[in-house]
Amino acid sequence: NAGVTQTPKFQVLKTGQSMTLQCAQDMNHEYMSWYRQDPGMGLRLIHYSVGAGITDQGEVPNGYNVSRSTTEDFPLRLLSAAPSQTSVYFCASRSPTGNTGELFFGEGSRLTVL
Amino acid sequence: TQLLEQSPQFLSIQEGENLTVYCNSSSVFSSLQWYRQEPGEGPVLLVTVVTGGEVKKLKRLTFQFGDARKDSSLHITAAQPGDTGLYLCAGAQRRNFNKFYFGSGTKLNVKP
Repeated sequence: NAGVTQTPKFQVLKTGQSMTLQCAQDMNHEYMSWYRQDPGMGLRLIHYSVGAGITDQGEVPNGYNVSRSTTEDFPLRLLSAAPSQTSVYFCASRSPTGNTGELFFGEGSRLTVL
Repeated sequence: TQLLEQSPQFLSIQEGENLTVYCNSSSVFSSLQWYRQEPGEGPVLLVTVVTGGEVKKLKRLTFQFGDARKDSSLHITAAQPGDTGLYLCAGAQRRNFNKFYFGSGTKLNVKP
């Protein structure tokens, strides 16, 4: 019963460093997405994908890159980390029932940029 | 400015009390969902409402979608400590079903 798996759970970076947050799902969902959660802001959509090879921007895409080469994996890349990217990041996949589909979330990755 | 505004932001009540959480927008949504999140975990879906005026009940929780599909409410009857958590509303608009917008959340603490 893995569902959505995120790694790492915790990461500390220095300003300017790069890193990739990994996300994998085993439910064969076409839709996957990345959110960031900041205090008092709820979750904000960074990028999403509706299938392998297809990605699109969400509300706050700047500073983040994504790609989707397989159905299972949807990595999020920070090319040059900034303190403003300190946040908790959640990956989610969605069951294929259009706008009513349930989002399944990972446990989150807490990132601190110094 | 967020598309979905939730109120109140924080709520601390005694066990047995009733409460209502609101989720409001100036925009129309094709569906609204409510999620509950516990510390250190991802949100988990509670309910989805799709029809204006729809009311759904989940044990002591009652969810309502506004007639104009711009707002929703979550009412908890006789709250219990196990209800403690962060409640988030989320919605998708007809112009793009793939963009789910979340509210800022309501942090509920139910004291024994």
